[in-house]
Amino acid sequence: DSGVTQTPKHLITATGQRVTLRCSPRSGDLSVYWYQQSLDQGLQFLIHYYNGEERAKGNILERFSAQQFPDLHSELNLSSLELGDSALYFCASSERRAGKNEQFFGPGTRLTVL
Amino acid sequence: QKEVEQDPGPLSVPEGAIVSLNCTYSNSAFQYFMWYRQYSRKGPELLMYTYSSGNKEDGRFTAQVDKSSKYISLFIRDSQPSDSATYLCAMSGGNNRLAFGKGNQVVVIP
Repeated sequence: DSGVTQTPKHLITATGQRVTLRCSPRSGDLSVYWYQQSLDQGLQFLIHYYNGEERAKGNILERFSAQQFPDLHSELNLSSLELGDSALYFCASSERRAGKNEQFFGPGTRLTVL
Repeated sequence: QKEVEQDPGPLSVPEGAIVSLNCTYSNSAFQYFMWYRQYSRKGPELLMYTYSSGNKEDGRFTAQVDKSSKYISLFIRDSQPSDSATYLCAMSGGNNRLAFGKGNQVVVIP
């Protein structure tokens, strides 16, 4: 158990809908990262938040957005869902000290868009 | 050219054998190198973490980094059926964004 929690475990929805994925980092970690894992693309970095502020963006679609709240939990919002958005979505956290980049992953949310 | 290349072919070995996995990369800015293990339908689990070039050993696992060749390796000695999983290499530079390889599915046959 990494100490990172994610809810829900599974999500089944229809095209055009909007969903919210939730992540709680390990105790004391200020950084939260979101990744998407699909069979063809592998694990892809989406976005990084540090202590409530966006720090880096990766291959994140405009239909996707994220935020980190004062209690450090984070939410990933996916809207206007398409079939191709079906994937595993992982959240990771780290201490984000200088030179320290060990990222610990949660169990993931499996999203199925029908 | 992809930032991180990991031949995604499956690997089957008999119990007790040495498993050898490797990745190559193209981004010279990478300085942190990791190996993750991922069991089916689970989140990636950090196995090894190294900074810059060199070797690191942890029990049956050895990670090697050769920055001059842009090549990293993971060796698993005395492999066990419980080592059967997908192994992902990952690396980052100063921006903390992890770039992953596609992963190798390893099966250790009892």
